[in-house]
Amino acid sequence: GQNIDQPTEMTATEGAIVQINCTYQTSGFNGLFWYQQHAGEAPTFLSYNVLDGLEEKGRFSSFLSRSKGYSYLLLKELQMKDSASYLCAVSGGSYIPTFGRGTSLIVHP
Amino acid sequence: EAQVTQNPRYLITVTGKKLTVTCSQNMNHEYMSWYRQDPGLGLRQIYYSMNVEVTDKGDVPEGYKVSRKEKRNFPLILESPSPNQTSLYFCASSSAGTPSPYEQYFGPGTRLTVT
Repeated sequence: GQNIDQPTEMTATEGAIVQINCTYQTSGFNGLFWYQQHAGEAPTFLSYNVLDGLEEKGRFSSFLSRSKGYSYLLLKELQMKDSASYLCAVSGGSYIPTFGRGTSLIVHP
Repeated sequence: EAQVTQNPRYLITVTGKKLTVTCSQNMNHEYMSWYRQDPGLGLRQIYYSMNVEVTDKGDVPEGYKVSRKEKRNFPLILESPSPNQTSLYFCASSSAGTPSPYEQYFGPGTRLTVT
């Protein structure tokens, strides 16, 4: 089975940097994903990590340590529109990703 | 346009009345899956399929059925819906191809209310 943990809620200030952590336990590993989801909408893909290290994509970066079962999503220069849920998902032995419960990020002025 | 479509988008029904939510993808993806999303519980996997005629239970399969007779379609069937199946449902598809294998492409969601 798989177990994925991430904080329930975080708050941050516009223009700041925020790091959302995710820890996981999985049987088999085929990659870790981060998705963004605005209320009532479908999740949208942000990043994919399969090797250890940092992947940078514009204002968003994602880090993976397979030995520690740990990942984080780093959001820089926060904007109000970044207020959303951020979902960590792990692809294990079945290949279909299992999702954590999501972290609700509130960005305030 | 590459997409996953779901129908209906909204449905209100009564307990016990069989219903089907359709899902179709036009990306020739091998993998398809159904999730339900409830407040505080995140996205929970109901069923998934790794190819035509191959389906498997996810974490919360009770009360649901699926079929995969064609590669593009993966309907979700509720034979006898109950109020605890009131939820937001997402269909998703993925493939083993690069650059991000198994990245899920999601449909727009179906909001189901069972009274």
